Amino acid sequence: EPEVTQTPSHQVTQMGQEVILRCVPISNHLYFYWYRQILGQKVEFLVSFYNNEISEKSEIFDDQFSVERPDGSNFTLKIRSTKLEDSAMYFCASSERAGGTEAFFGQGTRLTVV
Amino acid sequence: AQSVAQPEDQVNVAEGNPLTVKCTYSVSGNPYLFWYVQYPNRGLQFLLKYITGDNLVKGSYGFEAEFNKSQTSFHLKKPSALVSDSALYFCAVRDQGNQGGKLIFGQGTELSVKP
Repeated sequence: EPEVTQTPSHQVTQMGQEVILRCVPISNHLYFYWYRQILGQKVEFLVSFYNNEISEKSEIFDDQFSVERPDGSNFTLKIRSTKLEDSAMYFCASSERAGGTEAFFGQGTRLTVV
Repeated sequence: AQSVAQPEDQVNVAEGNPLTVKCTYSVSGNPYLFWYVQYPNRGLQFLLKYITGDNLVKGSYGFEAEFNKSQTSFHLKKPSALVSDSALYFCAVRDQGNQGGKLIFGQGTELSVKP
């Protein structure tokens, strides 16, 4: 069964460093998303991406964040200068369409900023 | 603004008993509603969804959910709980008018099924 894959599963970085989280969405999907889940809290929307551009972003997704689909298969989230409060589980998701179509989630990358 | 509320942080059920995990939502337009389950150290796994039509929707692993427009609720149910159903359950909503596909999640309900 097709699945969304994310790498790495766990990343530890020093405050102020740049990190890139990588995702391979399901191949025929057209919509891509990043969500995050701070430990013990709800899953929060960060950004949606369609047709090679951001279609929606949340207040969390400030200038420190960027997304890219560099080669038609990978979908990356970059955090330019990490802060302690960026520590969270980051989930990539993809869906065939928006609307009533369910999104499929990856296993997540646990980012720890020290 | 869209929002989802799951009023119970934890639900405890004995194996074999029916279970209900509650969810209420708020959207400006009509909703698409989803339930996801998260097992420890795993991603979110899709269970079922309501788009339109029959208010009772059936999903994976014997779960079902009932859409109630007047009460703006979408409670998850299962007639007979299994110990393996123990996990974290998330309700999510998407406004039908939203073009980008954003899901808004509830805070999650920890389901514990004891033998």
